[in-house]
Amino acid sequence: AQKVTQAQTEISVVEKEDVTLDCVYETRDTTYYLFWYKQPPSGELVFLIRRNSFDEQNEISGRYSWNFQKSTSSFNFTITASQVVDSAVYFCALSKPGANSKLTFGKGITLSVRP
Amino acid sequence: DTAVSQTPKYLVTQMGNDKSIKCEQNLGHDTMYWYKQDSKKFLKIMFSYNNKELIINETVPNRFSPKSPDKAHLNLHINSLELGDSAVYFCASSQDSTGVRNTIYFGEGSWLTVV
Repeated sequence: AQKVTQAQTEISVVEKEDVTLDCVYETRDTTYYLFWYKQPPSGELVFLIRRNSFDEQNEISGRYSWNFQKSTSSFNFTITASQVVDSAVYFCALSKPGANSKLTFGKGITLSVRP
Repeated sequence: DTAVSQTPKYLVTQMGNDKSIKCEQNLGHDTMYWYKQDSKKFLKIMFSYNNKELIINETVPNRFSPKSPDKAHLNLHINSLELGDSAVYFCASSQDSTGVRNTIYFGEGSWLTVV
């Protein structure tokens, strides 16, 4: 069975602070995919990143960066110099290849960035 | 153009009624999904269709009946609505169902409130 744990439920930071959102996953599969999605107050789910289990390189996209470590089964997400527009619920998710692939989500982290 | 669009965005209805939510994707994807987000924001898959065929049915009550007239459309019909059906329903799509190219893109969500 697959499981995603986002232990932090709510984080509040002041604008321009850096913030890291933690994600720990469990799977018995050797091939799997990890995702982060953002759900802003308007409610839609926005795809941020997908990472293949074979690719442990960290990724940076503007102020966003992701740290994938198989040794600790973690896929953490860091926002540098946070902005008010980063306020949202962030979901980490896991899937595996196969005929009936689906996403298993964590419970989400509510990030509030105060001006 | 919105890649995955679903209607209506908001729906308030009385217990016992029957309602439908429609979804269309213009990404040329083969696989479509319905996910449910409960009041605690937990996201869980309900159904998945690949080329109009049902491939995932996650212990959803029979009152929920998905229909896929073609691979670009996946509608969700709910009979005899109950208070517990109040949730946000997300339609989504991906290139295929195998997970290998499985970045799942979500619609904007349909907020269903049963009173």
